[in-house]
Amino acid sequence: AQSVSQHNHHVILSEAASLELGCNYSYGGTVNLFWYVQYPGQHLQLLLKYFSGDPLVKGIKGFEAEFIKSKFSFNLRKPSVQWSDTAEYFCAVRSNNDMRFGAGTRLTVKP
Amino acid sequence: DGGITQSPKYLFRKEGQNVTLSCEQNLNHDAMYWYRQDPGQGLRLIYYSQIVNDFQKGDIAEGYSVSREKKESFPLTVTSAQKNPTAFYLCASSMASSYNSPLHFGNGTRLTVT
Repeated sequence: AQSVSQHNHHVILSEAASLELGCNYSYGGTVNLFWYVQYPGQHLQLLLKYFSGDPLVKGIKGFEAEFIKSKFSFNLRKPSVQWSDTAEYFCAVRSNNDMRFGAGTRLTVKP
Repeated sequence: DGGITQSPKYLFRKEGQNVTLSCEQNLNHDAMYWYRQDPGQGLRLIYYSQIVNDFQKGDIAEGYSVSREKKESFPLTVTSAQKNPTAFYLCASSMASSYNSPLHFGNGTRLTVT
């Protein structure tokens, strides 16, 4: 089964700073990649997904992620964070119907 | 509105008792999942089911059991064999026929065992 590693446990940024959250996975076959977000007190929501084509995918709220196959990575980026981006972010990898998540990265944005 | 319903939102049990968490979906999804969410550990897969009457173990299936008698229902039983059952449990579903289909999550059940 695949596994997912998120490098940063907790990231603290000021508003307008740029964001990059790391995600690496281990699986040799075809995968689909996802980033989910969990705002305080809310359920998990899909930010963006990659399954084929352009390795740079754009999601909601100005987020994007780049799939680098050679590095088994799918890092999440945002050029300028806002206080409302404070949340927990989860990277996920799917092969067939087996879906695995990383441990999550808690993002705190200071106003 | 289509969605996933988990009930109850909060559940309290005494140690040694089995407890069943409910998950129902009306999205007509084939695949359903149970995850456990613990602080600092993200979501860990307990069981998943791709079709009725079939399910597979995830990473932490020990002490849990599931059934999939109906497409829309995937209940999870936390047995007394589960050593650390207190956690937040999330149910999800997706279209099985499309591997790029994202998971839709319920609001979760927080189980406390004392």
